[in-house]
Amino acid sequence: QKEVEQNSGPLSVPEGAIASLNCTYSDRGSQSFFWYRQYSGKSPELIMFIYSNGDKEDGRFTAQLNKASQYVSLLIRDSQPSDSATYLCAVKGAGGTSYGKLTFGQGTILTVHP
Amino acid sequence: NAGVMQNPRHLVRRRGQEARLRCSPMKGHSHVYWYRQLPEEGLKFMVYLQKENIIDESGMPKERFSAEFPKEGPSILRIQQVVRGDSAAYFCASSPAGTRYEKLFFGSGTQLSVL
Repeated sequence: QKEVEQNSGPLSVPEGAIASLNCTYSDRGSQSFFWYRQYSGKSPELIMFIYSNGDKEDGRFTAQLNKASQYVSLLIRDSQPSDSATYLCAVKGAGGTSYGKLTFGQGTILTVHP
Repeated sequence: NAGVMQNPRHLVRRRGQEARLRCSPMKGHSHVYWYRQLPEEGLKFMVYLQKENIIDESGMPKERFSAEFPKEGPSILRIQQVVRGDSAAYFCASSPAGTRYEKLFFGSGTQLSVL
C-alpha cells in the first residue's frame, strides 16, 4: 500500500462545475495535510493546508480532513480552465518530525473544459 | 521579495559527468529541502538541511549523491558520475525556522537530462 494515494484520474470537469480530488494516507499519526497545484513544467504551489478534522475553506477551495478514515479531499467550486493542472496531496507524518519532510501522492491531473 | 531561486533551469550531462544543482532559499528562510520528481512519479523527499548541517538525508541515494548548505552561498546538490536514471526534475524548497507546520515554498526546479 502506498503511503499517500490519490485517485488516479485524469479528472475532467466542465467549466463551472465542482471538481473533487481525493487522497488517502496510511500513517495514522500524520499531523498536517497539504494540497499543491503543479502546472506542467512548473514548480508545486501550495494552495491549501489543513491540520484539524473538518472543513477549511479559502475562496473557491475547500479542504476536508477525516483523520478517523485517513482521508483528505480538495473541492474546487466553479472550476475554471485555469484550474487545469496536476494536484498533489502531501502529508507530514508522525514520528516527531517537526520539519517539512512531506510524503506526496502521485498526483491527479485535472482538466477543466470550457 | 524573491522566491526560492534554483539554477540552472535545465542541465544536460553525459553519463559519468558530474551535476551540480544550486538553490538559494527565500530571504529569511534557513531551512532547505531537496525533492526529486521522476517522470510519471510524485515528488520524493531527498534531504533536509540547515546552515552547515544535514538534518535528514534519509531520502538520498547512498552513493554518488551529496548535499550541502554552507554558511555563505546557496545550497548545492551534487550528483557524481550521473546515470540515465538520474534524469528528473529536482526541486528545492525552503521554509522559515520555528514554524510548527512548516509550509514549503518551492523553487522552479532544475530539469536534469542525462544523455
